[in-house]
Amino acid sequence: GAVVSQHPSWVICKSGTSVKIECRSLDFQATTMFWYRQFPKQSLMLMATSNEGSKATYEQGVEKDKFLINHASLTLSTLTVTSAHPEDSSFYICSARGGEYIPSPLHFGNGTRLTVT
Amino acid sequence: SQELEQSPQSLIVQEGKNLTINCTSSKTLYGLYWYKQKYGEGLIFLMMLQKGGEEKSHEKITAKLDEKKQQSSLHITASQPSHAGIYLCGADLYQFYFGTGTSLTVIP
Repeated sequence: GAVVSQHPSWVICKSGTSVKIECRSLDFQATTMFWYRQFPKQSLMLMATSNEGSKATYEQGVEKDKFLINHASLTLSTLTVTSAHPEDSSFYICSARGGEYIPSPLHFGNGTRLTVT
Repeated sequence: SQELEQSPQSLIVQEGKNLTINCTSSKTLYGLYWYKQKYGEGLIFLMMLQKGGEEKSHEKITAKLDEKKQQSSLHITASQPSHAGIYLCGADLYQFYFGTGTSLTVIP
């Protein structure tokens, strides 16, 4: 079946540094990718929607300059957490849509646990 | 903002008991998905419902979508400790949103 690979699975970084998370669709072209954030004991909150070749659409309350999303190809989207702070520590998951119509299969990465010290 | 409301927020049941989790949307849904997760881990796809009145079952888990396609329920029969986790409904509203989540604990 379709696979989405997300890397790294966990990362620890120092406050003030930037961290890049990659999301790749391995055997299909993903026209749309979604990025989510999850805090302990909470649900997954949609951060942004990215379409290949265009700017990402951010949900209300998500800082565009802090969470940079690039969807340069049909198989790769990246999320960069810039100038990370301890409050950015969280679990981040990406997903990729395999078709243009709704509903169409949505495939999830295994997530990235970010810890900012 | 959350488009999907789940209830209850948390649930603690004795092993062997049945339980139901609800997911309600203010909008008509094109597709309603159910996932299971443990925090910090990936999602486990359970079921997808598309048609009003549809019902699907897998092992001891049954999910239903109402006729108006705005409410879904997930029912677990004879719960086991392995059922413990966070249950999330998700909806395709072009953007894909998750419900508020239900944390399930099953006491042996």
